[in-house]
Amino acid sequence: EAQVTQNPRYLITVTGKKLTVTCSQNMNHEYMSWYRQDPGLGLRQIYYSMNVEVTDKGDVPEGYKVSRKEKRNFPLILESPSPNQTSLYFCASRGVGLAGDRGVYEQYFGPGTRLTVT
Amino acid sequence: GENVEQHPSTLSVQEGDSAVIKCTYSDSASNYFPWYKQELGKRPQLIIDIRSNVGEKKDQRIAVTLNKTAKHFSLHITETQPEDSAVYFCLILTGGGNKLTFGTGTQLKVEL
Repeated sequence: EAQVTQNPRYLITVTGKKLTVTCSQNMNHEYMSWYRQDPGLGLRQIYYSMNVEVTDKGDVPEGYKVSRKEKRNFPLILESPSPNQTSLYFCASRGVGLAGDRGVYEQYFGPGTRLTVT
Repeated sequence: GENVEQHPSTLSVQEGDSAVIKCTYSDSASNYFPWYKQELGKRPQLIIDIRSNVGEKKDQRIAVTLNKTAKHFSLHITETQPEDSAVYFCLILTGGGNKLTFGTGTQLKVEL
């Protein structure tokens, strides 16, 4: 089954304790990205990656790091989490080329990770 | 990032009525305009999209219209049903399609 997976799904942590949220896709997609979702603000892009070893900042990259060492994985790293990073996080992937009637830009989202930093 | 305005933020309609959500953007280079639906507790999913060389696209009860001159595009849902209740997001792609900016979302509630 084609899918994007994220782990953990729920995480409660304390300020300053480094954490990693994993993201993996099995669709051989080149493009992957991370978003955070906050009430009233919609989904905001944190980082994206166009392929292995190619990453770039989205609109809200401060406080986050990413890496893309393998095509299928795109982990999100919070080196020193703070309470303002409490949010719902989504990973997504996207292929290139036409996919039926959807065109080239359909994004497939993971199930989300709810992070609470106290 | 790209400036995207989505209105209204909440919309309540009676079952069977139509709903319209509008997004306005600023980057004239944008050429792909999708809409995503997010049901409560679930991930966003693409429901319809349109390219800039087309003015309107329909898929059963949903349609998207694009006015590229005025830089806005709209989602139209006809004959609304309770299962249409969700949050809807528009999306703008810039930076060659790699940088993505979502609208702030519209909470649609379809009442019986």
